[in-house]
Amino acid sequence: AQKITQTQPGMFVQEKEAVTLDCTYDTSDPSYGLFWYKQPSSGEMIFLIYQGSYDQQNATEGRYSLNFQKARKSANLVISASQLGDSAMYFCAMREGLEKDDKIIFGKGTRLHILP
Amino acid sequence: EAQVTQNPRYLITVTGKKLTVTCSQNMNHEYMSWYRQDPGLGLRQIYYSMNVEVTDKGDVPEGYKVSRKEKRNFPLILESPSPNQTSLYFCASRRGGTDTQYFGPGTRLTVL
Repeated sequence: AQKITQTQPGMFVQEKEAVTLDCTYDTSDPSYGLFWYKQPSSGEMIFLIYQGSYDQQNATEGRYSLNFQKARKSANLVISASQLGDSAMYFCAMREGLEKDDKIIFGKGTRLHILP
Repeated sequence: EAQVTQNPRYLITVTGKKLTVTCSQNMNHEYMSWYRQDPGLGLRQIYYSMNVEVTDKGDVPEGYKVSRKEKRNFPLILESPSPNQTSLYFCASRRGGTDTQYFGPGTRLTVL
């Protein structure tokens, strides 16, 4: 069963608009962490934001925020005031059990295009 | 500069010819991982290591070997590469107790 689902293969958004990239996950472990990474066309993987399953507040990092809805098992990435440089592939990922092992599962990604 | 390096960055080889992709980090991180990225499949973890001499399988370990003899190095070995191992490979590392994983620049491997 797919543990990380990103339902939007591609998105087109006008510059300066806010963007929400969807991510749902599946786990029975009460301890887990959720990540978002950005991969620009140059190919490198850039860590954006992390949310722990026990964190009370939604994580934020600059223009990035993670809309964590535990009961719905969703961890959507919100990018405020999008910029042309936000055009990239975005991956959601999960690590179960925190430090008991280091297995990390990635979603298939969403390609975001920001239009001028 | 804190970084994860991979070598080579690009490699074209033939079926059956053993190869090693090196990965090195200078941040004294305990955890290291190898991933492969294929179109439409995202990243899939091949192997990970939680410290020296401690390695374990990820989701797609078949056809790969790893070793962790030193903390800084985590080479990926393909004993007998096949065309279905043509992919973009990433090495990554992180410090125990932290969440940020640092990725190498990637190695694009083509097996003919």
